Amino acid sequence: GAGVSQSPSNKVTEKGKDVELRCDPISGHTALYWYRQSLGQGLEFLIYFQGNSAPDKSGLPSDRFSAERTGGSVSTLTIQRTQQEDSAVYLCASLNPGYGNTIYFGEGSWLTVV
Amino acid sequence: ELKVEQNPLFLSMQEGKNYTIYCNYSTTSDRLYWYRQDPGKSLESLFVLLSNGAVKQEGRLMASLDTKARLSTLHITAAVHDLSATYFCAVVNTGTASKLTFGTGTRLQVTL
Repeated sequence: GAGVSQSPSNKVTEKGKDVELRCDPISGHTALYWYRQSLGQGLEFLIYFQGNSAPDKSGLPSDRFSAERTGGSVSTLTIQRTQQEDSAVYLCASLNPGYGNTIYFGEGSWLTVV
Repeated sequence: ELKVEQNPLFLSMQEGKNYTIYCNYSTTSDRLYWYRQDPGKSLESLFVLLSNGAVKQEGRLMASLDTKARLSTLHITAAVHDLSATYFCAVVNTGTASKLTFGTGTRLQVTL
């Protein structure tokens, strides 16, 4: 596709359940980011992937959060045993470091934990 | 640790007026970004500034970068209602690959 694609766009889950959020970056973009934005707040860095390098996981808030990127393309962010404070918009972004500097964001996955 | 501060946090201005949003950051940076976010929407890239003295303009918005002062400005000229949104600056810290650290955002409200 032309842009960064995220799914689901909306997810309501019960506290304690696991959720998976998917990000399909722009074709050819080797760098991929996950950010979290709580209601009315700024953007919190979660994790960064670049090519085959080890990901920068320094922003993951707890061990309930994990992410992987398969084949250098699609990424999945997994939240285990969800808590109400996990409710937020999860934004994915991608970049082709070898061609331009613009970082493109997807539309986000709105997660509500009830 | 890189810190990025924006001010003001909230700005209400009348149509036709000029104003500037400021973005300060605490360590050296490779790149600085400005994004726009409308309520309930994702982030739209406005500008990427790469070097000291860089200036970019698009319509009524102009962004500049002073790497020595670690300061970027987003200047709004003759504001119109359609510019109402939240504006974020984001900085890439030198040596951290491309990790972006975002400012707190400035919520701009342009009144008729």
